[in-house]
Amino acid sequence: DTEVTQTPKHLVMGMTNKKSLKCEQHMGHRAMYWYKQKAKKPPELMFVYSYEKLSINESVPSRFSPECPNSSLLNLHLHALQPEDSALYLCASSQEWPGVYEQYFGPGTRLTVT
Amino acid sequence: AQTVTQSQPEMSVQEAETVTLSCTYDTSENNYYLFWYKQPPSRQMILVIRQEAYKQQNATENRFSVNFQKAAKSFSLKISDSQLGDTAMYFCAFMEYGNKLVFGAGTILRVKS
Repeated sequence: DTEVTQTPKHLVMGMTNKKSLKCEQHMGHRAMYWYKQKAKKPPELMFVYSYEKLSINESVPSRFSPECPNSSLLNLHLHALQPEDSALYLCASSQEWPGVYEQYFGPGTRLTVT
Repeated sequence: AQTVTQSQPEMSVQEAETVTLSCTYDTSENNYYLFWYKQPPSRQMILVIRQEAYKQQNATENRFSVNFQKAAKSFSLKISDSQLGDTAMYFCAFMEYGNKLVFGAGTILRVKS
């Protein structure tokens, strides 16, 4: 059973739509992450939140807007996406950041931009 | 910058046999951690095993074990008694304190019956 949950599992959106991805963890972790993963490729880090504050933004386009309402929740707001943004979006959490702790991944949201 | 190299894009193994996945990395640091993650088809990524660089003893988790050669910067994963459920993409990953998790390109492992 996963302890990092993500909703929705699948999302299809047009380039003018606004949608949000949600992630939740109940492990008491204080660091949360968003990754983008293309098929048969490794995950690419997008954002890192530590104690609800944005710590790393890997030069992600502004059409992706992260939000961390509390230490258990992480959202990714999407607006005016491009077809090349279609990918699997993974959320992860770890005990803390910075530090060297295992990251626990959610099942991902498969996003298709039409 | 740290890099992780997995030189085997795809591998296959017969059920019940042993297979070894290769991973090399590059760093100038002395303290770091190494991980193997497994991502089955259409399923979530899970941590298989971790190794702290300061530990000389190789990590083991049931049928999974690593061969950690710090001087050679090598971190291979051995899967014993392979099972059909081991079919997955395997990622080797590296992390130093304060830095992000760096993944290799991945190795697709297929276990055949």
